[in-house]
Amino acid sequence: NAGVMQNPRHLVRRRGQEARLRCSPMKGHSHVYWYRQLPEEGLKFMVYLQKENIIDESGMPKERFSAEFPKEGPSILRIQQVVRGDSAAYFCASSPLASRDFAYEQYFGPGTRLTVT
Amino acid sequence: GENVEQHPSTLSVQEGDSAVIKCTYSDSASNYFPWYKQELGKRPQLIIDIRSNVGEKKDQRIAVTLNKTAKHFSLHITETQPEDSAVYFCAAKTRADYKLSFGAGTTVTVRA
Repeated sequence: NAGVMQNPRHLVRRRGQEARLRCSPMKGHSHVYWYRQLPEEGLKFMVYLQKENIIDESGMPKERFSAEFPKEGPSILRIQQVVRGDSAAYFCASSPLASRDFAYEQYFGPGTRLTVT
Repeated sequence: GENVEQHPSTLSVQEGDSAVIKCTYSDSASNYFPWYKQELGKRPQLIIDIRSNVGEKKDQRIAVTLNKTAKHFSLHITETQPEDSAVYFCAAKTRADYKLSFGAGTTVTVRA
């Protein structure tokens, strides 16, 4: 019973490069959420996706950040032209269903620790 | 949007004692309150959750209480053990959307 998978676990990028973070949800889950955790801080919501649809991207910076969850394959969080302030741990979570009126548990992956040098 | 505040930021307890972490939320439409435990360098793990139609929930040594009127909820850990040492995060979800809003975390240290 594989949990949420993320890769790479650690990623080092120089300023100006692109970072691509991958997330495979738990088996049977079709709802993916991305959160960012700055050092010694809580998790901040970035984006919520279903297969082929972005449902809520209210937490995504307007520039340089994008996310997708294609019909086949993992969800990808893409950061273009990275800056030092992008250094953080990026976690994805998945849930089997999603509803505004009823909350389904979100299970987290191990995270990708991005370091921008 | 939802704002979750968590206290204390650090908590040191003697093994065997109880630990209590408190969170407040701002949106009265919040309907779900999970607690996550995160060990250093690891993923946040869901340890217990409570929904807005329930006042208290218990699972072995951990319990969560919810006061909707005051808009606060608390995590109680009894008979603490060294393996309880971790960062604990509370979160809340409103009926307006799907995301979780997290508190800033409490670093719990259990002294042997």
